[in-house]
Amino acid sequence: GAVVSQHPSWVICKSGTSVKIECRSLDFQATTMFWYRQFPKQSLMLMATSNEGSKATYEQGVEKDKFLINHASLTLSTLTVTSAHPEDSSFYICSAEKGRMNTEAFFGQGTRLTVV
Amino acid sequence: DAKTTQPNSMESNEEEPVHLPCNHSTISGTDYIHWYRQLPSQGPEYVIHGLTSNVNNRMASLAIAEDRKSSTLILHRATLRDAAVYYCILRDVRGTSYGKLTFGQGTILTVHP
Repeated sequence: GAVVSQHPSWVICKSGTSVKIECRSLDFQATTMFWYRQFPKQSLMLMATSNEGSKATYEQGVEKDKFLINHASLTLSTLTVTSAHPEDSSFYICSAEKGRMNTEAFFGQGTRLTVV
Repeated sequence: DAKTTQPNSMESNEEEPVHLPCNHSTISGTDYIHWYRQLPSQGPEYVIHGLTSNVNNRMASLAIAEDRKSSTLILHRATLRDAAVYYCILRDVRGTSYGKLTFGQGTILTVHP
């Protein structure tokens, strides 16, 4: 099946610094990718929709200036958490689909961000 | 997106069948029923999806009620590797929410050796 890869799998950063997370579709092109966030013992919550060649669409309550999304190619989307704080510590997950109309979504393995 | 309701947790013994229920009484005619599962510290994984008819694949079976207001994910022989959170999600076939998945709390499946 299709593979979506995230990097890094985990990262620890100091409060106030920025962290970039990459999401790659390895064997298919994805004009749209999605970023989710998951806090401990909670479900996934959609943060934003990443669109290749255009601005990302953010869900209500997600700060676009804090969570910068860039989708510069058909196989790569990046999420940058700027000026990270401990409350940003979470599990970040991306997903992509090969086609439209109810095909399966492929998820990355997730990135565990810990801000100290 | 239409809402789904799942039990918070279920338990099973290894090599026994597991039936994971999902209620979706407000499902519309254009909603597909999707199931994903998430193993600990991993991203979700697609399991199966269907519209009206029962579906089978190598991972599981999906039984859909005739009125489509409920469905059941069936793992025919649970293994320890099936221990995960299982999410039942409705997706509109019209694709207006293409790619977006709205996750509920899911069912935590525990498999005992």
